Amino acid sequence: AQKVTQAQTEISVVEKEDVTLDCVYETRDTTYYLFWYKQPPSGELVFLIRRNSFDEQNEISGRYSWNFQKSTSSFNFTITASQVVDSAVYFCALSEALTGGGNKLTFGTGTQLKVEL
Amino acid sequence: NAGVMQNPRHLVRRRGQEARLRCSPMKGHSHVYWYRQLPEEGLKFMVYLQKENIIDESGMPKERFSAEFPKEGPSILRIQQVVRGDSAAYFCASSPLRVLWTEAFFGQGTRLTVV
Repeated sequence: AQKVTQAQTEISVVEKEDVTLDCVYETRDTTYYLFWYKQPPSGELVFLIRRNSFDEQNEISGRYSWNFQKSTSSFNFTITASQVVDSAVYFCALSEALTGGGNKLTFGTGTQLKVEL
Repeated sequence: NAGVMQNPRHLVRRRGQEARLRCSPMKGHSHVYWYRQLPEEGLKFMVYLQKENIIDESGMPKERFSAEFPKEGPSILRIQQVVRGDSAAYFCASSPLRVLWTEAFFGQGTRLTVV
């Protein structure tokens, strides 16, 4: 079965610090997609990134960067120069094919990030 | 994503009542997924529907829960005889394609509280 592990339950940092959120996954699929979502206190899910299993290039988007390493089955997320507005729960997710077609996402349990002044 | 509309945003039900959660997918999307987020947990897949068809309901509890996506109108997640353990946030996502290769467009969720 597919599995996503986010071992860090909660991380607290001071504003402007860099922070890395870890994500380790397990899958038997050769083709799969990995996602990161942000869930702010208001509760909605904000899509951050989607990465397919054939593309191991690291990606940077503003203060956000992602490090995908297939060899260690990890897809870590780094926020540079963190800000208070980054405070949220962050979820890593893995796509999984459904028997009857379509795909579902298997989510990790999330990492609560608190950025303080 | 604001394009997927869920209502109500908050729902309070007494034990034993029925809860109906609605999800209107983005325009042009004919595939809907429902997920449940229990307190302090990640989201868990419940069911995948296309118009008038349930494709996969492997994540649905065997009793009291049902889902539909009629030809016209929103997708409905129905919970009969609710219990306190049903208190959770319920999210739906929609897709134009059979596979969820694109970013999953999630609604803002319905927070169900059973008292």
